[in-house]
Amino acid sequence: DQQVKQNSPSLSVQEGRISILNCDYTNSMFDYFLWYKKYPAEGPTFLISISSIKDKNEDGRFTVFLNKSAKHLSLHIVPSQPGDSAVYFCAALYNNTDMRFGAGTRLTVKP
Amino acid sequence: DARVTQTPRHKVTEMGQEVTMRCQPILGHNTVFWYRQTMMQGLELLAYFRNRAPLDDSGMPKDRFSAEMPDATLATLKIQPSEPRDSAVYFCASGLGRQTQYFGPGTRLLVL
Repeated sequence: DQQVKQNSPSLSVQEGRISILNCDYTNSMFDYFLWYKKYPAEGPTFLISISSIKDKNEDGRFTVFLNKSAKHLSLHIVPSQPGDSAVYFCAALYNNTDMRFGAGTRLTVKP
Repeated sequence: DARVTQTPRHKVTEMGQEVTMRCQPILGHNTVFWYRQTMMQGLELLAYFRNRAPLDDSGMPKDRFSAEMPDATLATLKIQPSEPRDSAVYFCASGLGRQTQYFGPGTRLLVL
């Protein structure tokens, strides 16, 4: 039962352009959302998060948007850099007890 | 620079053998998680400990998998007997709750 879905397994973007990674969820009880970045042969690292009481959180080049009515969140990276090439996982948390991850999206930023 | 460490980094074994994966959480963290990453399912939670007590292992096949924390500096995940479908990357993560988790580098397991 995939409660968190990342429907795009891969995304390719030109350096300097915007990268938009999408994530959909089915459980309206999720109240906290996170994005993790994973390089090959390494564990995922925390990138940015957002509480369900907000609709936007920004940290430098990274911005996460949350649309609760659509059960959709997105991660925007602007401008994209080659070092951003990695797999990005979306995760959703309910009541600090139940955390679900998406299958990941592989981002490639071309020079 | 505190990190979660995992051993071994790679393991190749034959079907039916026991596999033990070890994790050293970051000192001071009170929560430990075991995840399995597969191509199709992404990251699946296998087990979750808080203060060394297992709180959630519903994602773990009980007949062959077991997870323990003998002490605050060591978490183990065992598979006995192992099967080819267990081939995956197994991640350990630690934190001070569930919201921010620090992942180890993973153990890549191949069961032939």
